[in-house]
Amino acid sequence: QVQLVQSGTEVKKPGASVMVSCKASGYTFTDNYMHWVRQAPGQGLEWMGWINPNNGGINYAQNFQGRVTMTRDTSISTAYMELSRLSSDDTAVYYCTRHGDYFDYWGQGTLVTVSS
Amino acid sequence: QAGLTQPPSVSKDLRQTATFTCTGNSNNVGNEGAAWLQQHQGHPPKLLSYRNNNRPSGISERFSASRSGNTASLTITGLQPEDEADYYCSAWDSSLSAHVFGTGTKVTVL
Repeated sequence: QVQLVQSGTEVKKPGASVMVSCKASGYTFTDNYMHWVRQAPGQGLEWMGWINPNNGGINYAQNFQGRVTMTRDTSISTAYMELSRLSSDDTAVYYCTRHGDYFDYWGQGTLVTVSS
Repeated sequence: QAGLTQPPSVSKDLRQTATFTCTGNSNNVGNEGAAWLQQHQGHPPKLLSYRNNNRPSGISERFSASRSGNTASLTITGLQPEDEADYYCSAWDSSLSAHVFGTGTKVTVL
């Protein structure tokens, strides 16, 4: 069965960077784009971008360009999302989601808290 | 980035039918249609339908989606207590080259 397992909770200071990982299993990792979506406390969903695990191609949402980097390691079927220059506005749950039949599988979410 | 517009909340009695909309434009909903996701508090979203009314396996037939022009709709028939959740629409926006989400609709089952 398809599973996306994300790394654990992070607490960061303003100005720092955070990297969240998403380990895929149960399917061929390179067959599907991986997207990242975040959700601030009590707020809606916000799309951050995608990575093509097959060739590393990326497409970042305009709101995050210059601050986000999405990478992957095909040897361990893992996608990564790094967000830099964090501020309190980046406090959110970050999800990876596979694009099969649209966003058909989701990770459990990683809470990133930015606080001084 | 511009998002899709949904009503903030819908309240209906148990076993009744709830329908709510998702309004976009010709670059997103009106182009490739919308997907719908359900999110219970503290859990990741779950895909209910995609490309207007295709349901993933395991999704109840009580959930049905449709589209008219730039507006997508989700209908939940025979409302159950477990249907209480937040519902989001989503679509690819060809002019933004980005996925956009709706503002979310909170469904309450009375």
